[in-house]
Amino acid sequence: EDQVTQSPEALRLQEGESSSLNCSYTVSGLRGLFWYRQDPGKGPEFLFTLYSAGEEKEKERLKATLTKKESFLHITAPKPEDSATYLCAVSWGAQKLVFGQGTRLTINP
Amino acid sequence: GAGVSQTPSNKVTEKGKYVELRCDPISGHTALYWYRQSLGQGPEFLIYFQGTGAADDSGLPNDRFFAVRPEGSVSTLKIQRTERGDSAVYLCASSEAGGMETQYFGPGTRLLVL
Repeated sequence: EDQVTQSPEALRLQEGESSSLNCSYTVSGLRGLFWYRQDPGKGPEFLFTLYSAGEEKEKERLKATLTKKESFLHITAPKPEDSATYLCAVSWGAQKLVFGQGTRLTINP
Repeated sequence: GAGVSQTPSNKVTEKGKYVELRCDPISGHTALYWYRQSLGQGPEFLIYFQGTGAADDSGLPNDRFFAVRPEGSVSTLKIQRTERGDSAVYLCASSEAGGMETQYFGPGTRLLVL
């Protein structure tokens, strides 16, 4: 069964303290890996799509990278407004996305 | 332009009742998806429409759940004989053509079955 696992489940950082979130997935047949941000009471907001190993995407303080077996979301010098749940989702060729359980990120001022 | 919209934003019902949840996709998007999200979990796929037809309904948990998209735009998710375990946030997403394009999500409908 195709699976997506995110770690850690929760992460608390001080403002300015850089860190990384991990997303690992069943390896064979990956077509695309997606990162979303979700604020409480809202729907997921698209951040990045990665298609092949070695690919990197950046947006403000966020950078997503992809290897053959996992993806990382690096957050550099985070601010309190970066606090949210970050979701990783994978497509193996069918149109549906399979999501991980998310990482709940809290940035303390 | 406008994003994906969902109505109602919240729905409280009693066990055994019938509910309908509505999704308006982004204009021009031919692909539409329904997901369900339980507290503390990631969204789980329910059904995918390409145009008017359900191309993949493998995520529907049982025959109490049904969805339609009669004109290829608005979709309705219908749940019969609701159970307390159906309580969750129901999310709708749309994409341009249903390939590897980005899926854009609506705000969700929070369903509570008492």
